[in-house]
Amino acid sequence: NAGVTQTPKFQVLKTGQSMTLQCAQDMNHNSMYWYRQDPGMGLRLIYYSASEGTTDKGEVPNGYNVSRLNKREFSLRLESAAPSQTSVYFCASRRGLVENYEQYFGPGTRLTVT
Amino acid sequence: ILNVEQSPQSLHVQEGDSTNFTCSFPSSNFYALHWYRWETAKSPEALFVMTLNGDEKKKGRISATLNTKEGYSYLYIKGSQPEDSATYLCAFWNNNDMRFGAGTRLTVKP
Repeated sequence: NAGVTQTPKFQVLKTGQSMTLQCAQDMNHNSMYWYRQDPGMGLRLIYYSASEGTTDKGEVPNGYNVSRLNKREFSLRLESAAPSQTSVYFCASRRGLVENYEQYFGPGTRLTVT
Repeated sequence: ILNVEQSPQSLHVQEGDSTNFTCSFPSSNFYALHWYRWETAKSPEALFVMTLNGDEKKKGRISATLNTKEGYSYLYIKGSQPEDSATYLCAFWNNNDMRFGAGTRLTVKP
């Protein structure tokens, strides 16, 4: 039981390049999330998927797209990377959209855009 | 805009000291307040989920209280140990997603 996994762990991109961050969970959770973590700002929600087949914008969606490929996998795509997207990205999942369900986080992807 | 504020930003205590820190959140439309513990180089892990005004939760030496009417929660650590060193995040459940505070970074010196 691996929980939430993310790939890659580290990535360096040049401005304008594109890439996809992968996330998978093996807990049969319905809801999945992508956050970015910047110093002094805490975790900010980029996009989430309440259930398979649905995606919604979070607090900071500009410059990103997502795909809920199936119940297990939720990917985050940067179409044209910008230095402002340098951050640590965390994927998370939870059983569903009920307020007292815990959220489980992946190990994070550290992205640098030069 | 929903603001979740945590204070202090960082805290240094000696081993054996008891300590506490605060999470402030909007008091209207309250659903739940979560606390997470985040060790360096690891992922955040859930500590408590609190839903009712007056809730008090405890796990070992760590406990938390909740006041939904005034919009705050306290996290207490009794007899801090070096292994308690971590960032403690609170998060306010906002209908379909959680809004996180910036965290309180606790360092416990042996």
